[in-house]
Parts: sequence; C-alpha cells; structure tokens
Amino acid sequence: QVQLVESGGGVVQPGRSLRLSCAASGVTFSNCGMHWVRQAPGKGLEWVTVISYDGSDKYYADSVKGRFTISRDNSKNTLYLQMNSLRAEDTAVYYCAKDGPRPFIDYWGQGTLVTVSS
Amino acid sequence: QSALTQPASVSGSPGQSITISCTGTSSDVGGYNYVSWYQQHPGKAPKLIIYEVSNRPSGVSNRFSGSKSGNTASLTISGLQAEDEADYYCSSYTSSSTRVFGTGTKVTVL
Repeated sequence: QVQLVESGGGVVQPGRSLRLSCAASGVTFSNCGMHWVRQAPGKGLEWVTVISYDGSDKYYADSVKGRFTISRDNSKNTLYLQMNSLRAEDTAVYYCAKDGPRPFIDYWGQGTLVTVSS
Repeated sequence: QSALTQPASVSGSPGQSITISCTGTSSDVGGYNYVSWYQQHPGKAPKLIIYEVSNRPSGVSNRFSGSKSGNTASLTISGLQAEDEADYYCSSYTSSSTRVFGTGTKVTVL
C-alpha cells in the first residue's frame, strides 16, 4: 500500500532554514504529482505547494512564495521542501501528500511538526 | 487564494443525515469538477472520502455522498454514526493550477 513518511521537522529559530523530506513507497513515485500541505496547531489545512511528476512545474501559495522551494528526486522516491526565512506563522504540522490520477490528493503522510520559535 | 467557506460546526443525532456546504468561486469550485472531501480525526492525517465532486474511493462507506451546484459543493453524511465525529475539509483545484482547502467543519454526533 502507499506509504508517505515525512522527516526533518523540529524546532528552529525565526529567520533560519529547514529542509523536510518525504519518502514514498508502494507507488510509482515518478508518475505522481506531489504536494506539501500544512496545519497550524488547532487550525485548518493550508495548501502550500505542488510539484509535477517530473519536477518541471511547481506552484506555491502566496504565503510561502519566494521562501519555500519544493523539489523531488525520482531516483530516490523522495520529495523535499526547503524552507528559508522561517517565521513564527510557519509553525505547523507539514504533510506530504500524493496526487491521484487527476488533480485531487488521494494519500497523505502522517506529518512532521515544524516549530519556529526563539 | 482565499479559503473555501464551510460552516464551523454541524451536529446531528445518530441515524440522522447532515450536510456540509463548501462555497468557493468560479475560479475553483464552480469552474472544475475537481472538488474533494477529507475526514480528519484528532491527531490523525486527513483521509480522502470523496473525489471529483461525487466519487467515493474504495473502502469508504456509501453513507458519504457529494454534490455540486454552481460555486457550492456539498457533503452529505447519512445514517450518522459516532465514528463520523471528526473534522471535514473540502478542497478544489483552481484556475492558477494551485489547490485550496475549505475552512473546515467540526461534526459532532449528539
């Protein structure tokens, strides 16, 4: 079955950087669009970014544009999120998620918590 | 990129039916049949329960159904059960090739 396992979360100071990873298994990773979605403590889901199956297309939410970069390594079945210039409002659980055969998310990882605090 | 609008909370008694609305614009909900719904229990990852407006993934109860009219999509849960108590989110593809989620609805089984 599809498994998405995030890693790399932790506590980081404002203005610093962090890179998240998501290891995929049970799926032909190189055929799938992939997303990062976040959820601040006690809040709703916020879509962050998506990357196409081959990495040629990337889209971002306005809240992270210019600070976050999504990338993928299809040879390693791994998705990444490079987060720079982190702010307190970036504190959230970050979920890796997979696109279905059409533009809807069908599987989610369990999430990794990022806390931005001095 | 404004969030889709959902009611903050909906409640019902066991066995009843409830409906959650999800209102967007012609650039998202109204423009595409790519509306999906997710169920999230506390401390858990979201789970897909409806895709492409009204389709259920394998293994999802047929008590869940979806529909759309104009810029508003709806999720109906019939025969409400205690296990349905959770948060529910709609999502849509947008004209900017991004995605947008709803504000979320807490369902309480009385």
